[in-house]
Amino acid sequence: DTGVSQNPRHKITKRGQNVTFRCDPISEHNRLYWYRQTLGQGPEFLTYFQNEAQLEKSRLLSDRFSAERPKGSFSTLEIQRTEQGDSAMYLCASSYGTGANTGELFFGEGSRLTVL
Amino acid sequence: GDSVTQMEGPVTLSEEAFLTINCTYTATGYPSLFWYVQYPGEGLQLLLKATKADDKGSNKGFEATYRKETTSFHLEKGSVQVSDSAVYFCALSDQAAGNKLTFGGGTRVLVKP
Repeated sequence: DTGVSQNPRHKITKRGQNVTFRCDPISEHNRLYWYRQTLGQGPEFLTYFQNEAQLEKSRLLSDRFSAERPKGSFSTLEIQRTEQGDSAMYLCASSYGTGANTGELFFGEGSRLTVL
Repeated sequence: GDSVTQMEGPVTLSEEAFLTINCTYTATGYPSLFWYVQYPGEGLQLLLKATKADDKGSNKGFEATYRKETTSFHLEKGSVQVSDSAVYFCALSDQAAGNKLTFGGGTRVLVKP
């Protein structure tokens, strides 16, 4: 078990470009979460999947953001037409949850986005 | 909606000092409560949790008790070490608000030898 893996770890882009982050969860975990963390703040929930179904999206997730988990394994988070305000650490977490039992979330080390 | 409020840092302590980090919450249902820790250069890790009122979570010398009457989950450690220097996040999971964690803003703790 290698834990939750995120790529790339760092991304620097120019405003208006598109970026995509990938998350590989722990293999037996059915739930996958995306969070955003800005400097000095706690993680903010963006969206989560149970298997391949996206079950909840935060109001923070504007229409420039899209997340997928096509086969219920890895997930991608795409940001289109990036803005400077998108600069943040994007965290992925996974868990094994059943019903209302969330299970322990295991976090990756994050993908840091800098928009110039 | 759900929210978590924790004391702002940084908190600077000497080794072997007593640590308390205050955490209070607002939730619509009956949440589970968590403390996560982020060591320098590492990802968030679960430190301890409590799933119902009066439960005490403990790990690595840290403790926190779920107090429903005061909606609090304060983190304590009796004797800190330099290796406890990290950012600590209080969080809740509320079934009524979906299966996700809501985090506080984090408290940076620096332990000096």
